[in-house]
Amino acid sequence: NAGVTQTPKFQVLKTGQSMTLQCAQDMNHNSMYWYRQDPGMGLRLIYYSASEGTTDKGEVPNGYNVSRLNKREFSLRLESAAPSQTSVYFCASRDISGGTGELFFGEGSRLTVL
Amino acid sequence: QKEVEQNSGPLSVPEGAIASLNCTYSDRVSQSFFWYRQYSGKSPELIMSIYSNGDKEDGRFTAQLNKASQYVSLLIRDSQPSDSATYLCAVADGGYQKVTFGIGTKLQVIP
Repeated sequence: NAGVTQTPKFQVLKTGQSMTLQCAQDMNHNSMYWYRQDPGMGLRLIYYSASEGTTDKGEVPNGYNVSRLNKREFSLRLESAAPSQTSVYFCASRDISGGTGELFFGEGSRLTVL
Repeated sequence: QKEVEQNSGPLSVPEGAIASLNCTYSDRVSQSFFWYRQYSGKSPELIMSIYSNGDKEDGRFTAQLNKASQYVSLLIRDSQPSDSATYLCAVADGGYQKVTFGIGTKLQVIP
């Protein structure tokens, strides 16, 4: 059972470079989320997608773009990376139509911007 | 004011004691409430979910919800060293889509 898969798990970028974090879920969930986690800051919501074809801003969307490619995949793009974007990024998915509505998380992607 | 407030701790309790973790939220129309546990370097994992006022028990864990006071708590009975982790409170909005987390409370269970 793969659940939520994120790639890459580790990445080092230079300031100004771009990259895309990929996320895929195999649980047929409608909703998907991107969070970042910094020491002492908890999980902060970057963007979320309630369903295929929709995306909404969270608490900290500046400097990021997202694409809900299909029901399974939700990618996060950094167009011009900045040191302030050094963080651990978590993708999550959720099904609110049944079950507990809990978030299922990927293993995280650790990004360092030099 | 942050939407979901938690004391960052650390909260230190002796082994076998009850650990009490608290969380307040600002959005009165919030519908779903979750407690996640996160070990260092790992992903958050669900401990409890609660949707209606009152208590919900699962083994050594009890979640308590008071919507009038906008307050949710987690009690851990017979705390074990393996319970040492950061506990994250999460709140889903009235539309059920946006899920906001608190900063997490670090729990240390002393053997």
